[in-house]
Amino acid sequence: DGGITQSPKYLFRKEGQNVTLSCEQNLNHDAMYWYRQDPGQGLRLIYYSQIVNDFQKGDIAEGYSVSREKKESFPLTVTSAQKNPTAFYLCASSIQVGHTRGAEAFFGQGTRLTVV
Amino acid sequence: GENVEQHPSTLSVQEGDSAVIKCTYSDSASNYFPWYKQELGKRPQLIIDIRSNVGEKKDQRIAVTLNKTAKHFSLHITETQPEDSAVYFCAAPSNTGNQFYFGTGTSLTVIP
Repeated sequence: DGGITQSPKYLFRKEGQNVTLSCEQNLNHDAMYWYRQDPGQGLRLIYYSQIVNDFQKGDIAEGYSVSREKKESFPLTVTSAQKNPTAFYLCASSIQVGHTRGAEAFFGQGTRLTVV
Repeated sequence: GENVEQHPSTLSVQEGDSAVIKCTYSDSASNYFPWYKQELGKRPQLIIDIRSNVGEKKDQRIAVTLNKTAKHFSLHITETQPEDSAVYFCAAPSNTGNQFYFGTGTSLTVIP
């Protein structure tokens, strides 16, 4: 079954702890993205990667880090420096980055992170 | 960068009526505009998209129109059904083409 998988679905973290969200895709997509979704604010881009071993900051990268060691995987670490980490996090992938035809973004089912 | 504005933020319609959601964008070079539907608790999924070389695209009850001069595009849903209830997001590419900017979403409720 092809697709993009995020885990876990729900995650609780104590203040001051780092936590890593998993994102795996078997669609052979080059581009991968991490978005944060807050009520009334739509989807905001945290990081994106166009190719293995390369990634770029999005609009709200502060307090987050990523790696892209394999084409299939793009984990996101929420660090203790992120001041308001409680949110719904969505991972996505596409054949290629950006706006060309066929660059539909396929989303994972999301991870809801709660800081307690 | 690109600035995408979406209206309205909430929309309620009676079953069978039409729903229209509008988005504006700022970068005149943008040339691809997707619409995503996110049902409660589920992932966003592409429902329709349009490229800048056409003014309208239809897929059954869903249509998207694009006005490049005015830099706005709209989603039209006709003969709405309760299963159309969801949050809808528009998007436009950045000027580098490396990312999408999403609108803030429209929560559509179709009342049976």
